[in-house]
Amino acid sequence: GAVVSQHPSRVICKSGTSVKIECRSLDFQATTMFWYRQFPKQSLMLMATSNEGSKATYEQGVEKDKFLINHASLTLSTLTVTSAHPEDSSFYICSPSQGDYTEAFFGQGTRLTVV
Amino acid sequence: GQNIDQPTEMTATEGAIVQINCTYQTSGFNGLFWYQQHAGEAPTFLSYNVLDGLEEKGRFSSFLSRSKGYSYLLLKELQMKDSASYLCAVRDSNYQLIWGAGTKLIIKP
Repeated sequence: GAVVSQHPSRVICKSGTSVKIECRSLDFQATTMFWYRQFPKQSLMLMATSNEGSKATYEQGVEKDKFLINHASLTLSTLTVTSAHPEDSSFYICSPSQGDYTEAFFGQGTRLTVV
Repeated sequence: GQNIDQPTEMTATEGAIVQINCTYQTSGFNGLFWYQQHAGEAPTFLSYNVLDGLEEKGRFSSFLSRSKGYSYLLLKELQMKDSASYLCAVRDSNYQLIWGAGTKLIIKP
């Protein structure tokens, strides 16, 4: 399987601050990056989809100005949670894709806690 | 709307067999996936079905019936480490993954 590196794995931040999460595909070129959020005991919820060099497409209900996604290269994408609030506390997971639809690869996930 | 249904929780005994069902209603179909997810970790790939029938991979097997919108994951010779959530996901006509809420599997000695 593909090697995906996501960090940090855990972060605690104060309300109102911003947090950046990085996702790297180490052994393939990710033309597309999916960012998911998962609340406890719930399913993965797609937040946004980004293609390298293009603006991200956000799912309904996800604020694009709050969750900034950058996909400037084929191996790196970042998600920045701006002005974080306690309700943003969740498990964030990236999933890079090179167009192979027979499997989805995931980063290790980032547990964000906003206090 | 699009919907994936799977049981919320199941309990089984170590060494036994368990079958986790998944039914789906999606706009189009481009494959069904099963993933295992331990608490606090990202999902790991178990199986992929795009044609009807049974796919066997070691202790795990996955079945698909596209006409019935139905799949199951069969786990044999259960081990304590199999305690996890099992997620069913379907690729729709836009190749977007639609995820079920997951089935929490509890293995008892």
